[in-house]
Amino acid sequence: AQKVTQAQTEISVVEKEDVTLDCVYETRDTTYYLFWYKQPPSGELVFLIRRNSFDEQNEISGRYSWNFQKSTSSFNFTITASQVVDSAVYFCALSYSASKIIFGSGTRLSIRP
Amino acid sequence: GAVVSQHPSWVICKSGTSVKIECRSLDFQATTMFWYRQFPKQSLMLMATSNEGSKATYEQGVEKDKFLINHASLTLSTLTVTSAHPEDSSFYICSARVGAGGGARPLTDTQYFGPGTRLTVL
Repeated sequence: AQKVTQAQTEISVVEKEDVTLDCVYETRDTTYYLFWYKQPPSGELVFLIRRNSFDEQNEISGRYSWNFQKSTSSFNFTITASQVVDSAVYFCALSYSASKIIFGSGTRLSIRP
Repeated sequence: GAVVSQHPSWVICKSGTSVKIECRSLDFQATTMFWYRQFPKQSLMLMATSNEGSKATYEQGVEKDKFLINHASLTLSTLTVTSAHPEDSSFYICSARVGAGGGARPLTDTQYFGPGTRLTVL
């Protein structure tokens, strides 16, 4: 069975702090994709990153970085020097049959000025 | 690139009426489109998967006669909520996916989401 767990329901930090959002997944597939999406208050889901199961390289994009570790089935997301505009709900997701994806429950991130 | 639109962005209707929601991929051809439902402060729940030119595949527990899906072209899918009731009030989001053969953007095997439609049934 496929499962994505985001144990942190809500996180609140002061602007400029670094923050890490945790994601743990379960799958029996050997080939899969992992994703992170951002959902700001407007509601639209914004695609942030896709990671192939065979590629464990960490990735950095500006203030965002992702740490993928198959040994612990984790795909964590770090925002460095957080800004108020980063406030949103962040979803981790895992692909499964016929390219469907299953979402975690989401982490609501609030950045206080 | 990889822009998906939805129309309308919000709709209020009376109980018993039908509502149609459109989902369009604006700058790419989507081999598959997905429809999700999201209740307040909850995650997204997949309702159905539709491929162009074929019948939609519904997830367990989703009434296919109530939520009619048509995928007429590689850039358009519609969701019609028939005989809507207050319990159908929700945020409906579509996504579009490119299969093999896509370019750098959009990425293949990646779902790109529309802005969502907020449905309120009185």
